[in-house]
Amino acid sequence: EVQLVESGGGLIQPGESLRLSCAASGLSVSRNFMTWVRQAPGTGLQWVSLIYTDETSLYADSVKGRFTISRDNSKNTVYLQMNNLRAEDTGIYYCARVLQYYFDLWGQGTLVTVSS
Amino acid sequence: SYELTQPPSVSVSPGQTVSITCSGDKLGDKSVCWYHQKAGQAPQLVICEDRKRPAGIPARFSASNSGNTATLTVSGTQAMDEADYFCQAWDSSSVFFGGGTKLTVL
Repeated sequence: EVQLVESGGGLIQPGESLRLSCAASGLSVSRNFMTWVRQAPGTGLQWVSLIYTDETSLYADSVKGRFTISRDNSKNTVYLQMNNLRAEDTGIYYCARVLQYYFDLWGQGTLVTVSS
Repeated sequence: SYELTQPPSVSVSPGQTVSITCSGDKLGDKSVCWYHQKAGQAPQLVICEDRKRPAGIPARFSASNSGNTATLTVSGTQAMDEADYFCQAWDSSSVFFGGGTKLTVL
């Protein structure tokens, strides 16, 4: 079965760091573009970051300089390192596969809560 | 930043046709896709304007895009279609989503 499973979310204080993981099965993260999308409570979707097969990456302006996307091909896992977290970073973080210009496969998400 | 605007909500009777719009500057020049999200679930791809529909998405979902407006149309709406719907497009190496439209099947 092709699936993505996110983990690493939790309750964290403003200014601290957290690393999210997205473990893939049934597909190779090194041969696919992969992305992170988040959703604040009760609101819409916000794109966060994307990593290409050549490991170049893109970021939303709101996270540029604080978040880093990466992958470990041996673990078939994509990561999102989040530093200097803010209250507005709170939300469910979804990992998804990118085909051409659309996101065809999504994980179930992991909840990040930034609060003192 | 690129803004995509959707109506917050639309409603439809079972069996009827409903359209959800997504507006953005010169949106017709971009590729637009639609996702739905049911309560407590992850988003799921519904359709892209070039009619890319994943397996399991019925043919009653169709999409178009021209000028400044993209449209998702659901024909013969069923109760199972009740969900939040989001449009998505790329602009300047970033991805943008509309604010979402809650579709209610009355």
